[in-house]
Formats: sequence, C-alpha cells, structure tokens
Amino acid sequence: EVQLVASGGGLVKPGGSLRLSCAASGFTFSDYSMDWVRQAPGKGLEWVASISKISTYIYYADSMKGRFIISRDNAKNSLYLHMNSLRPEDTATYYCVRERITTKSYYFDFWGQGSLVTVSS
Amino acid sequence: SYVLTQPPSVSVAPGQTARLTCGGSDFVSKIVHWHQQKPGQAPVLVIYDDNDRPSGIPERFSGSNSGHSATLTISRVEVGDEADYYCLVWDTNSDQWVFGGGTKVTVL
Repeated sequence: EVQLVASGGGLVKPGGSLRLSCAASGFTFSDYSMDWVRQAPGKGLEWVASISKISTYIYYADSMKGRFIISRDNAKNSLYLHMNSLRPEDTATYYCVRERITTKSYYFDFWGQGSLVTVSS
Repeated sequence: SYVLTQPPSVSVAPGQTARLTCGGSDFVSKIVHWHQQKPGQAPVLVIYDDNDRPSGIPERFSGSNSGHSATLTISRVEVGDEADYYCLVWDTNSDQWVFGGGTKVTVL
C-alpha cells in the first residue's frame, strides 16, 4: 500500500524556520519525482516545489523561491521541505505528493495526508 | 504567471450531469489533470492527461480538452460527489505547476 506520511509541522513565529519531512513507503521512492503542495485554511491548492528522481531538476513556485528548499534522501525514502523566513501567509497544510510520468505528460497520482504549519506570534 | 480559471461553484441535482470548466491562455498546448477534494481529506486524482481515468475512479467521471478549455464531466451525480474539484497543468514557460482556483460542487 502506497503511503506518504508528512511530519514536522507546528507553530512557528514569523521569521522562523521549519523543516517538513515526508516518509514514503509501499513503492520504489527513487523511481518518482516528488512535490510539495500547500493549502491555506479555507483556500485552494497551491503548488510549492518539485524535485526529480535523483534531484537533478528542482523547481519552485515564484512566491517560495529563495525561502524554501526541497530535498530528498532516496536511501531513507524521504522527502523534505526546509522553510525559512516564514510569514503568516505561509500558514497552511502542506501535502507531500507523488508525481507519475506517462508518455504524454506528468501528473500527481498520490497525495499524503498533510502537515499543518501555523506561522503566528 | 500562468492563470487557470474555474467557476467557484456548480449546483446539480442527484442523477443529473455536472460539467466543470477550466480555462486559460494558450490552452491548446496544455495537458489537464483533475483532482477531487472532499472536506477534511487530501485530494484524489480523478482524471489525468485530459481524459484518462485512474483505476478505482468510476466511469461517471470523464474529461475533455477542446484546446480552448477543459471540462470535467460527472454523469449521474451522487451525493458522495460533493467536493471541491481542481484542474492542474504544467506551465512550460515558467516550469511551474498551476492549479485552478477550484470549483465547489453541491448536490441539491
């Protein structure tokens, strides 16, 4: 059974840092690109960042560039999101998402349950 | 940055057909995916590559892309289909994934 379990969320003050982790199981982690997607309370989905299978390609949403860093450790079947200079508007549930490749395109085929990050003084 | 436009809400009676649209500029080059999110749950993929359905998703869910906009069609709507639906594309100009704002489907 495919599982993506995000952890590391919590309450942090504005300007602070936090590292989210995502533990993957039930599939060969190193065969897939992975992403982080967030959702502010009562709002829509917002893509955060993407990392390819062996970290060759890394992409960020414009509003996250320079503050967030996505990384992975294939030996530990883990995905990470290092978040710096956090702002109240970064308050959201952060989802770990698996990315699948077809001959036509890429798409998100499996979502984890998410980890809540609250940025507040 | 690229923008995808979805109507905020759609209401449909049980047994009827719901059609959810998703539009943007230069749409002919875009491949669209759709995700369903029920309250308090993580999203679930319902359509990928414009019109393919993952295993486990009912045949009542179908997708299309005219080159001007994409449509998610839910036939014979059930109460359990009440959810937010998001379209998603990869924007090759910016190398970023882009979500639509989402459409809330209410089953009357």
